[in-house]
Amino acid sequence: GENVEQHPSTLSVQEGDSAVIKCTYSDSASNYFPWYKQELGKGPQLIIDIRSNVGEKKDQRIAVTLNKTAKHFSLHITETQPEDSAVYFCAARGSGSARQLTFGSGTQLTVLP
Amino acid sequence: NAGVMQNPRHLVRRRGQEARLRCSPMKGHSHVYWYRQLPEEGLKFMVYLQKENIIDESGMPKERFSAEFPKEGPSILRIQQVVRGDSAAYFCASSSRERGFETQYFGPGTRLLVL
Repeated sequence: GENVEQHPSTLSVQEGDSAVIKCTYSDSASNYFPWYKQELGKGPQLIIDIRSNVGEKKDQRIAVTLNKTAKHFSLHITETQPEDSAVYFCAARGSGSARQLTFGSGTQLTVLP
Repeated sequence: NAGVMQNPRHLVRRRGQEARLRCSPMKGHSHVYWYRQLPEEGLKFMVYLQKENIIDESGMPKERFSAEFPKEGPSILRIQQVVRGDSAAYFCASSSRERGFETQYFGPGTRLLVL
């Protein structure tokens, strides 16, 4: 089955700096890669996703890049703000009938004011 | 449009009791997924259901766990004879297949504590 690895597990940045979180996946047939933000005591909230037919997607301060050859994808947050502090999860979904998401282990992002 | 709803938000059970977790998908969504999250870990897939059908239960423990998504009403995740190792946050997600793509939206979760 699919295996997703996520790094780093914790990340601290100064307000205004950029944050980058990286994930690798094992199944070359995976075709959909969402990123979720989870605040304490809440459910995961989808913040951006990318499909395998594109290499990059951007939404305001958030961007995701995908390298299918290397089987890795990254989340980039620019101009970080204290409210960006949360746990971020990457995920991958295979093609075909398998619809479930396989999640990384999460990155605790702390934005220091 | 209301999001995915789960209840209860918190559930305390003693060992050996039953736990019933409910999930109402977003309006118009006919696919439901259940995931389990242990402390300090990512989410692990348990089961995928469509109305009245279990499509994939490959992540579900073989014993004590069951799930259903009836024609009417919420999806139910049922845990019989709970043990302390069942303590976790259980999240439900729903999706619809639009233009061949699916995006999963998560509910707030049910935090189960087994004493």
